[in-house]
Amino acid sequence: QQQVKQSPQSLIVQKGGIPIINCAYENTAFDYFPWYQQFPGKGPALLIAIRPDVSEKKEGRFTISFNKSAKQFSLHIMDSQPGDSATYFCAAPPNAGNNRKLIWGLGTSLAVNP
Amino acid sequence: DVKVTQSSRYLVKRTGEKVFLECVQDMDHENMFWYRQDPGLGLRLIYFSYDVKMKEKGDIPEGYSVSREKKERFSLILESASTNQTSMYLCASSFTAGAPQYFGPGTRLTVT
Repeated sequence: QQQVKQSPQSLIVQKGGIPIINCAYENTAFDYFPWYQQFPGKGPALLIAIRPDVSEKKEGRFTISFNKSAKQFSLHIMDSQPGDSATYFCAAPPNAGNNRKLIWGLGTSLAVNP
Repeated sequence: DVKVTQSSRYLVKRTGEKVFLECVQDMDHENMFWYRQDPGLGLRLIYFSYDVKMKEKGDIPEGYSVSREKKERFSLILESASTNQTSMYLCASSFTAGAPQYFGPGTRLTVT
């Protein structure tokens, strides 16, 4: 079964630090890589997404970088704030012809200390 | 904004009861999903639907069934609730294949 392996499981940084969350995938046919952010008591919300024809995408303080040869994509949070404390999930469709559903990483719990 | 609503935020049921969880989306999305979320296990897909009356099994369909009679509404049914179905249940929808999924706030179900 295809997998998306997310690391680390948890992360603690100081305000202003740059937490990095990594995801590794197994199937080279992935064509869409979203990241979701989930606050306690809420459902996940789409944060940012990238397609594999670009190597990096920035939206505000959030950046996705994509390394196709290593089959990895990473989320960087610049100038992190306590309000960024949440659980982050990466996901990918199982293959290029089947992107109705997503395969999910297990999540990374991020705490940003003031 | 896309809105996905779930019928209950918290639900407590007894073992053996039939449980209905309802989800409604207001953006004419084709696809709807039911997940359960448990600590350390991430999001696991139970069922999804890509059209009215159409459904596909996800990764953990055992003990669950679904119904989609109208495009905007997707119901999850626990035919005979068991304690191992105590979990957070999340509904999501997406406009089409490959589009972002939008989630509801979740229903925390406790089966005693």
